[in-house]
Order: sequence, then structure tokens, then C-alpha cells
Amino acid sequence: EPEVTQTPSHQVTQMGQEVILRCVPISNHLYFYWYRQILGQKVEFLVSFYNNEISEKSEIFDDQFSVERPDGSNFTLKIRSTKLEDSAMYFCASSEGVGFGGELFFGEGSRLTVL
Amino acid sequence: AQSVAQPEDQVNVAEGNPLTVKCTYSVSGNPYLFWYVQYPNRGLQFLLKYITGDNLVKGSYGFEAEFNKSQTSFHLKKPSALVSDSALYFCAVRERSGGYQKVTFGTGTKLQVIP
Repeated sequence: EPEVTQTPSHQVTQMGQEVILRCVPISNHLYFYWYRQILGQKVEFLVSFYNNEISEKSEIFDDQFSVERPDGSNFTLKIRSTKLEDSAMYFCASSEGVGFGGELFFGEGSRLTVL
Repeated sequence: AQSVAQPEDQVNVAEGNPLTVKCTYSVSGNPYLFWYVQYPNRGLQFLLKYITGDNLVKGSYGFEAEFNKSQTSFHLKKPSALVSDSALYFCAVRERSGGYQKVTFGTGTKLQVIP
């Protein structure tokens, strides 16, 4: 069964360092997302991406964050200068469309620890 | 703006008993509604969705959910709980019109099935 894959599974970084989280969405999906979850609690929307551009973003997704689809398969989230409060589990998701529900399929997550 | 409320942080049920996990939503128009399950240190897994039509939708692992437009609710149910159902459950909503891509998640309900 097709799945969303994420790397790395866990990354530890120093405050102020740049981090890139990588995702390979399901191949025929057109919409891509990043969410984050702090301490196993609420799942917070960061950004959605369609047709090679950001379509929606939350107030969390400030200038320190960026997303890119550098080739036909990868979808990356970059945090330019990490803060302690960026420590969280980051989930990539993809969907085939938005009609007929357009349910999201999630990866297993990348745990980011900022020291 | 779209939002979801899950009023119970935790639900405890004895194995073999029916379970209900509550969810209410708020959208400007008509919703797409979803339930997801998350096991420890895993990503979110899609369980079921409501698009339109029959108010009772069936999903994976014997779960079902009942859509009630007048009460703006979408409660998750299962006739007979299993210990293996113990997990974190998230209700989610996407507004149907306007081509919105963002899916908003509730705060999650921890289901504990007691042997």
C-alpha cells in the first residue's frame, strides 16, 4: 500500500541552527501538508502546498519556515533558525484532492529536538 | 473559520462494551468530517469520513460515526471495544466549499479500553 515517508525520524539540533525535514508523498497525490504535534497533544496545521506554491499557511508558519518541492518526489520543510519552542513532532501528509473529502495520509513523523 | 471540539480528554470503557468518542464542529458552510487514530509514536491513520448522504458512515476496524447536522456533531462509535482500540483519536473538519485545503484537527481524545 502506498505510504508517505519521512526522514529523519529524529533530529537533535542546537538552537539557531537550520533544519530540513524531508518527505516523500504518495506518488499520485497533488496536495501536500505539514503539521506539527507538541508532546503528543494537538495536531497543528502549518502549511498546505499545491501546484508548486503555498496555498494556505497558519500563523505558526512565519518567516523562519519555508517549504519546497525540489523535484518530482520530495517535499521539504526548512526551519531557518530553530528555537526551543520548535521542538515537536512534524508530520507530512498528502492527499489526492480536496473534493470527496480529500482525506490526508500521514507519514510517521520527524521528531525535532532543539537544545 | 473552521474548528473542532472534542470535549473529553479521556474516555475509559470496558472491553466488550460499546464506545463513543464525541466531536462537535463549526464551519461556515457544509463540512467534510474525518476521524483519525494515532498509536504511540506513530503517525495519524485515517479511519473514516463523512462526505454527504447517509448520516451513519462505516470505517476501518469496525468503527462508525454518526453525522448530526442539527447538533453539528460527528461522534465516533464502536459496538464492542477491544483492548487494541486503546489509542488517541482525533476528529477533523474541512469546509466543503471554496476549495479549502486545510484540515483542522481537534485536541484529541485518549481512549483507554480496560480488559
